[in-house]
Amino acid sequence: RKEVEQDPGPFNVPEGATVAFNCTYSNSASQSFFWYRQDCRKEPKLLMSVYSSGNEDGRFTAQLNRASQYISLLIRDSKLSDSATYLCVVNSRDDKIIFGKGTRLHILP
Amino acid sequence: ETGVTQSPTHLIKTRGQQVTLRCSSQSGHNTVSWYQQALGQGPQFIFQYYREEENGRGNFPPRFSGLQFPNYSSELNVNALELDDSALYLCASSLEVGEREQFFGPGTRLTVL
Repeated sequence: RKEVEQDPGPFNVPEGATVAFNCTYSNSASQSFFWYRQDCRKEPKLLMSVYSSGNEDGRFTAQLNRASQYISLLIRDSKLSDSATYLCVVNSRDDKIIFGKGTRLHILP
Repeated sequence: ETGVTQSPTHLIKTRGQQVTLRCSSQSGHNTVSWYQQALGQGPQFIFQYYREEENGRGNFPPRFSGLQFPNYSSELNVNALELDDSALYLCASSLEVGEREQFFGPGTRLTVL
């Protein structure tokens, strides 16, 4: 099993729709979790951290399920500008930083 | 802009050569991490430096080495280049180890022929 797994997509979603994707991780000792966004041919940028209690930032909601070892990202009222690759990132106790391969999202007009 | 810069932006080398990539972190950021991103893949963690000492390493061979300097700059050195080393190399800085946000530079695209 890969350390961090994501569905590569692409997810083709009409503008205004809600889209959700998950990321699973294999190391139960993982300490912290993040979602990064990467636009084509650009560097990754932090979208949001993921907390055990779940957290929301505007149209974005992140959830962590430690028992099942997955994190999720929900995007409501999707915009054309949300089109990007979303990278799941897991930091382990020994500061090993693991990125998933990313999920490609295309918002359709 | 993140305040993290990398040079060069593009580089072409041949198999067997050596390369040095450079990164300038945000002032005050004591931690720098280097990543390799192949086409269609997520970034792969190479190693991390904290206050000029290596602080963690991914599954990369010893021919990948690094240095961090007191002026918040750092280097990634790759010896005996192989074709599979062709990738985007990203550096990311943060204030401290485990800091919630890393700030990425724009990357250096390395092509090995």
